[in-house]
Amino acid sequence: DGGITQSPKYLFRKEGQNVTLSCEQNLNHDAMYWYRQDPGQGLRLIYYSQIVNDFQKGDIAEGYSVSREKKESFPLTVTSAQKNPTAFYLCASSIFGTGYNEQYFGPGTRLTVT
Amino acid sequence: KNEVEQSPQNLTAQEGEFITINCSYSVGISALHWLQQHPGGGIVSLFMLSSGKKKHGRLIATINIQEKHSSLHITASHPRDSAVYICAVNLSLGGSEKLVFGKGMKLTVNP
Repeated sequence: DGGITQSPKYLFRKEGQNVTLSCEQNLNHDAMYWYRQDPGQGLRLIYYSQIVNDFQKGDIAEGYSVSREKKESFPLTVTSAQKNPTAFYLCASSIFGTGYNEQYFGPGTRLTVT
Repeated sequence: KNEVEQSPQNLTAQEGEFITINCSYSVGISALHWLQQHPGGGIVSLFMLSSGKKKHGRLIATINIQEKHSSLHITASHPRDSAVYICAVNLSLGGSEKLVFGKGMKLTVNP
């Protein structure tokens, strides 16, 4: 079955530590996205990648970094520079270049930093 | 002002009721999405539409491009429909597409 996996589902870290969230897809999609969801707010775009070895900042990229070394994988690192990292993080993917595209979402990772 | 507004923010209904969720947007778009988020957090795409109406089972989505408005209707609602329903619109972003999301509407259907 094709889909997007994110691991782990729950993640706990101490303040000041970097943490990497995993996102893998086997849908053969070119584009991948990272979103952050906070209570009472809509999803906000952190980073996106349209093709391997290329990525762009979204609306709230500060304190985050990504890599896209493989088409299937788009890990997100939450660095110690992110002032308020506790949130629910969603990864998504889509076919690139179709004009408008449906995004497929992973199950999410809930990160708690204390 | 948010580019995507949803109303109401919360809705409680009795099983069997007809439910309407509204979404208004303020910018030109190429498509609009309705998404469903269950308590566990995972998001499922329900509809993507750029004009007219789409139906899937008990769900119907409509869009009026001129009025920049979309509605999601749920007929014969059931407790398993309880979820957060999110409206999102496609905006052009550097040759690709960016989704801008509403805050979501929490629906609770009581048995």
